[in-house]
Amino acid sequence: KNEVEQSPQNLTAQEGEFITINCSYSVGISALHWLQQHPGGGIVSLFMLSSGKKKHGRLIATINIQEKHSSLHITASHPRDSAVYICAVNGFTSGTYKYIFGTGTRLKVLA
Amino acid sequence: NAGVTQTPKFRILKIGQSMTLQCTQDMNHNYMYWYRQDPGMGLKLIYYSVGAGITDKGEVPNGYNVSRSTTEDFPLRLELAAPSQTSVYFCASRLTGTSSYNEQFFGPGTRLTVL
Repeated sequence: KNEVEQSPQNLTAQEGEFITINCSYSVGISALHWLQQHPGGGIVSLFMLSSGKKKHGRLIATINIQEKHSSLHITASHPRDSAVYICAVNGFTSGTYKYIFGTGTRLKVLA
Repeated sequence: NAGVTQTPKFRILKIGQSMTLQCTQDMNHNYMYWYRQDPGMGLKLIYYSVGAGITDKGEVPNGYNVSRSTTEDFPLRLELAAPSQTSVYFCASRLTGTSSYNEQFFGPGTRLTVL
């Protein structure tokens, strides 16, 4: 079982829909990072959070440290949101900080 | 700041050839990482470094070597390229310190094909 699980793995939505991507983890962490990767593209940082909620434009991220769960919401989805969304938890192992990545959620938004 | 830069963007190698993927960051980050991302798969850590002169293996180090002679540069060397090394390679860096809140910054990636 992966230490970081994302759901769903694949998601197709119609333009304008509200989208939720979930990330659950089984290790102790103090911060979680949401990343976006467009097809054939680089990796872009969306949010880094350790508690509560953050909002940027149409994107909202929440985290519940006690429940070991984070969600990424996209309001009024648009075809340009089509990408892979990756959850990464910041773990401290072997004396250094390393990410443990989720397997990603592939989102396709149809016009 | 340019952030994290990688060269080349694309490369095709023949089996058995060698090459070095370059990674440079201008943010004075002590931590640097190399990842590979196979088609449709997640990121896997190849090697990392916590400072100049200090490197260590990640999950998938076989077939690769690294060095870290300066804070800015963290090259990844493939000695005998194999088709299994066909992947997209990402370099990342992170601010030093004990804060777990510091995020990793990623380079644009190098797409490598071994034929």
